[in-house]
Amino acid sequence: DVVMTQTPVSLSVSLGGQVSISCRSSQSLVHNNGNTYLSWYLQKPGQSPQLLIYKVSNRFSGISDRFSGSGSGTDFTLKISRVEPDDLGVYYCGQGTQYPYTFGAGTKLELK
Amino acid sequence: QVRLKESGPRLVQPSQTLSVTCTVSGFSVTSYHVSWVRQPPGKGLEWVGAIWKGGSTDYNSALKSRLSISRDTSKNQVFLKMNSLQTDDTGTYYCAKHGNWGGYFDYWGQGVMVTVSS
Repeated sequence: DVVMTQTPVSLSVSLGGQVSISCRSSQSLVHNNGNTYLSWYLQKPGQSPQLLIYKVSNRFSGISDRFSGSGSGTDFTLKISRVEPDDLGVYYCGQGTQYPYTFGAGTKLELK
Repeated sequence: QVRLKESGPRLVQPSQTLSVTCTVSGFSVTSYHVSWVRQPPGKGLEWVGAIWKGGSTDYNSALKSRLSISRDTSKNQVFLKMNSLQTDDTGTYYCAKHGNWGGYFDYWGQGVMVTVSS
């Protein structure tokens, strides 16, 4: 199975600040079809996960441009700029290139 | 508007079978893949398995021997069955729609919290 390693485990940020979350996979996430199925999700307290970014850098419908994804191969990053209160929760990276699909353990974003 | 809603028992006895239904609206299960993802209390996400739009299935190998995913296209429903439940199967079970390009989940249900306990 592809192991997804997220760092850090938790982050404290001031409102309006910027943060980066790293996600590293144990194998390349480049699919045979040339796509890289790395996605980012936010799970707010008591809610289901919601999609933020798919295929490394594509923002899902309605997602603010304060969220940006980058990376390739095995190393990926989610950046959040001008952090707002509604951004708080647990962020997960996930891979859909190889079965079984797997997720990182999560990064908890909290207010400083 | 895309919606997914899980329904099923909140409490299941050890060694028994879990049956959860995902009722979707706003899209057809014959047009998009649907996966099941579960989350133990306070922990991360685990992909359980998927039913592809063509009707075939794939399962997490760690759970495969206990799993069955099926669907009723006339009712736009997807079903999860997991047998021989143990306490570490306790958690929230989500169904999720795959995005247009497959390997990610763009819409999730609210989840159903299942406790395995006698």
